[in-house]
Amino acid sequence: DAKTTQPPSMDCAEGRAANLPCNHSTISGNEYVYWYRQIHSQGPQYIIHGLKNNETNEMASLIITEDRKSSTLILPHATLRDTAVYYCIVRDSNAGGTSYGKLTFGQGTILTVHP
Amino acid sequence: KAGVTQTPRYLIKTRGQQVTLSCSPISGHRSVSWYQQTPGQGLQFLFEYFSETQRNKGNFPGRFSGRQFSNSRSEMNVSTLELGDSALYLCASSLALLAGERRTEAFFGQGTRLTVV
Repeated sequence: DAKTTQPPSMDCAEGRAANLPCNHSTISGNEYVYWYRQIHSQGPQYIIHGLKNNETNEMASLIITEDRKSSTLILPHATLRDTAVYYCIVRDSNAGGTSYGKLTFGQGTILTVHP
Repeated sequence: KAGVTQTPRYLIKTRGQQVTLSCSPISGHRSVSWYQQTPGQGLQFLFEYFSETQRNKGNFPGRFSGRQFSNSRSEMNVSTLELGDSALYLCASSLALLAGERRTEAFFGQGTRLTVV
């Protein structure tokens, strides 16, 4: 799985959009970008994933650049409960091979939402 | 539907003892993975089970082992506990993970907080 780079921390005001960047310059054509978050002392929570098109669900939007070397997770109206560590992970779209079941977590971005 | 259930939530053990942690995946999920999370090393993959077979293993010593039962429930065991084994142990389940299948997202449990004294 390709390596990702994220800023160690970010701040956001409550009610504003939080834009979390992720660089994945070595991503290959069949690799997806996944985002998870982990609220303190809880298990990671799946947020969203995408291949090359922008994706949106009830939690967030994912914007992937045309060259797929970077992406941005957008929380449109951040709340205090969105304070968490956000992980960007690149994974092969094929579930087989040596990466069965394995998620490779980096250090993630600590997002702090302020009142 | 019920999420991934891990038991116990908290555990205190003494060095040299062994411990068994349990994970019940989401109904219908066939793949179960285990992770260790420590402040120094972050989230690290331990192993993954599918249809009672270990298919992938992380870089951990042989003291860490696991198994999966026919109902997809999984257990992991750590023998001869060391202080450094103190961590949050997380279990994740996925719907389908066969070669050639499209990946599905993993759902995590709340974890078991193990403290070794």
